[in-house]
Amino acid sequence: DAGVIQSPRHEVTEMGQEVTLRCKPISGHNSLFWYRQTMMRGLELLIYFNNNVPIDDSGMPEDRFSAKMPNASFSTLKIQPSEPRDSAVYFCASSLYRGGSGQYFGPGTRLTVT
Amino acid sequence: QQQVKQSPQSLIVQKGGISIINCAYENTAFDYFPWYQQFPGKGPALLIAIRPDVSEKKEGRFTISFNKSAKQFSLHIMDSQPGDSATYFCAALAGANNLFFGTGTRLTVIP
Repeated sequence: DAGVIQSPRHEVTEMGQEVTLRCKPISGHNSLFWYRQTMMRGLELLIYFNNNVPIDDSGMPEDRFSAKMPNASFSTLKIQPSEPRDSAVYFCASSLYRGGSGQYFGPGTRLTVT
Repeated sequence: QQQVKQSPQSLIVQKGGISIINCAYENTAFDYFPWYQQFPGKGPALLIAIRPDVSEKKEGRFTISFNKSAKQFSLHIMDSQPGDSATYFCAALAGANNLFFGTGTRLTVIP
């Protein structure tokens, strides 16, 4: 199994630009999570989906952030417009819904907004 | 409000020693307690997990001890090795899928 796949691995962009992060969950997993990790705030859950439906987006910091999951094998996290304080590592994770098997994380996307 | 409290923030252990990381929670609805290991530049990786119906789970050198009445659980790493140097996160899950993570412990094992 290839595990959770994220792209790009690194993204450097200028303030005001649109950024799109991509995730392919593990095949067969029906829950998908987006996290942000910073030194100051640790791991923060931004949003999660069950069966492609957004369940809880209370962690999305602002309206500049949006996430979609058009099908079971693909999700995007978009930031528009980006700001320097969005600089962080963004992780995607997937799991079996109610499987209690834990979440499996991708390698992350390191975002730097200048 | 931190749902899962983790300590210590950092830990230095000699090679061959025992590393112990502690976590505490309040929500009695939590029913699954995983530990994650994260190396620099990598995503957190599921290391070991326990359910509250058992008091201990061991996988190789890694052991989770669980005290349901005290609402505490801990990770013990026996015979710690330099390759164990990483950041460890405890977490708790309540039925659905929203995992609550601790703040992490940075473990350094000195050769």
